[in-house]
Amino acid sequence: QSALTQPPSASGSPGESVTISCTGTISDVGAYNYISWYQQHPGKAPKLMIYEVTKRPSGVPDRFSGSKSGNTASLTVSGLQVEDEADYYCNSYKGSNNWVFGGGTKLTVL
Amino acid sequence: QLQLQESGPGLVKPSETLSLICTVSGGSISSSNYYWGWIRQPPGEGLEWIGSINYSGTTYYNPSLRTRVTISVDTSKNQFSLKLSSVTAADTAVYFCARHSYYYDSSGSYYYFDYWGQGALDTVSS
Repeated sequence: QSALTQPPSASGSPGESVTISCTGTISDVGAYNYISWYQQHPGKAPKLMIYEVTKRPSGVPDRFSGSKSGNTASLTVSGLQVEDEADYYCNSYKGSNNWVFGGGTKLTVL
Repeated sequence: QLQLQESGPGLVKPSETLSLICTVSGGSISSSNYYWGWIRQPPGEGLEWIGSINYSGTTYYNPSLRTRVTISVDTSKNQFSLKLSSVTAADTAVYFCARHSYYYDSSGSYYYFDYWGQGALDTVSS
C-alpha cells in the first residue's frame, strides 16, 4: 500500500515556526481523524507527539500542534529548539483495521 | 513504566523465515484496550506498519505483507512474536515492536502507537 506523502525535508532557525504536511487520500487522512505524528532521533525509536489530529500526550511540549484540512494533515513546531531536529512521521488509519505511515520528513534546525 | 524489548537472531538467509520476539515488561499484554504491533524501517527509509495482535489472538496485517506474515501472542510469557517468510534483501530493516492503542471510550478515541521497543536490526544475507 502507498505511503502518505510528506516533504523529504524542512528547516527553520531557532525560535521560528515550521509546518510539515502529510497528504493522503479521501480513504485515509480525509476519512478519519485518527492521525498521529512521531518524532525519531537518529538511532532511536519513534516517539508519539500528536494523536487524533490535535491532541498531545502528557509530556509533549505545547510547541507541537497538529491540524487537518481535507486530505492533508499538518504538524507545526513553534519556537524551534535545537533538540527538535529529527525525523517526523505521520500515521493515519485507513479503515478495515489498516494503518499507513508517511514517508518521513527530516527537520533541520539551522 | 511499560517497556518493550525485541530479540532475534539478527541474520537471516534469503528465502528463509525471519523470527522476532517482543517481551513486554512493566505491564500486562492481556490489557483489553491494546493491541501489540510490529513496525519496520529499512536502512535510511521510512516506517512501515506490518501488523498487530491483541491478547486473544485477533490479528490485523498490512495487506502488502499479509501472505508472508504471522503474528502470535503468548500471554503466559507476556510476549508476542513476528514471523516473516520467504525473505529477500528488501526485508532487511530495523524491526520495532510497539503497543498499539486501538479503542474508544466515553473520553475519546485512542488510535496510535505509544510505547516502542528500541528496535532490532535484521539483515537478510547469504
